[in-house]
Amino acid sequence: DGGITQSPKYLFRKEGQNVTLSCEQNLNHDAMYWYRQDPGQGLRLIYYSQIVNDFQKGDIAEGYSVSREKKESFPLTVTSAQKNPTAFYLCASSRTDSQYSSYNEQFFGPGTRLTVL
Amino acid sequence: AQSVAQPEDQVNVAEGNPLTVKCTYSVSGNPYLFWYVQYPNRGLQFLLKYITGDNLVKGSYGFEAEFNKSQTSFHLKKPSALVSDSALYFCAVRGAYSGAGSYQLTFGKGTKLSVIP
Repeated sequence: DGGITQSPKYLFRKEGQNVTLSCEQNLNHDAMYWYRQDPGQGLRLIYYSQIVNDFQKGDIAEGYSVSREKKESFPLTVTSAQKNPTAFYLCASSRTDSQYSSYNEQFFGPGTRLTVL
Repeated sequence: AQSVAQPEDQVNVAEGNPLTVKCTYSVSGNPYLFWYVQYPNRGLQFLLKYITGDNLVKGSYGFEAEFNKSQTSFHLKKPSALVSDSALYFCAVRGAYSGAGSYQLTFGKGTKLSVIP
């Protein structure tokens, strides 16, 4: 799982609660991503960030929010507006600082499994 | 828009036999293709990528993939399967431009590989 850490590994949320998932990387990567994984659906992009203090919505951003105050950190908040948050959440990062950065693979963290009680 | 299809939800193979996990893609322009592996409750690990050049790409753990432009395929292969290869495999294609020299990845839905002792 490289130099990306996610915490906690398991998280339980009650109805109506906001919860925040942590993602930290020590790879000195500029780009960071959040994905949601559901059985049989592959990975779907929630949010991504190419640089500090900037981020964009992915395909399924509704009910989620992010911040990027530091290069190393990209926390994801699952808000009460997300009606079906039970899923496996994966954070990833990639380089953008070389002329071949568009070919660079993404490196993934170990994931956080969120369950709504 | 870019897309990836993994036509088999599950592939079963006997230990020691060759394995193939199929992937087809649809892109506008040159395809940049990736394979990842995921073990249970873990993040994704990068196996290999095709950017340009030789159609046979060699990657980690003895895996290789064959790029076929006319068939728009990028099948993952291994000459002799191990029980430890049992995992979920994802094919991905470089997708939309994210800015600052980086691109999103579009993932297939995954293929579960089971290697039977």
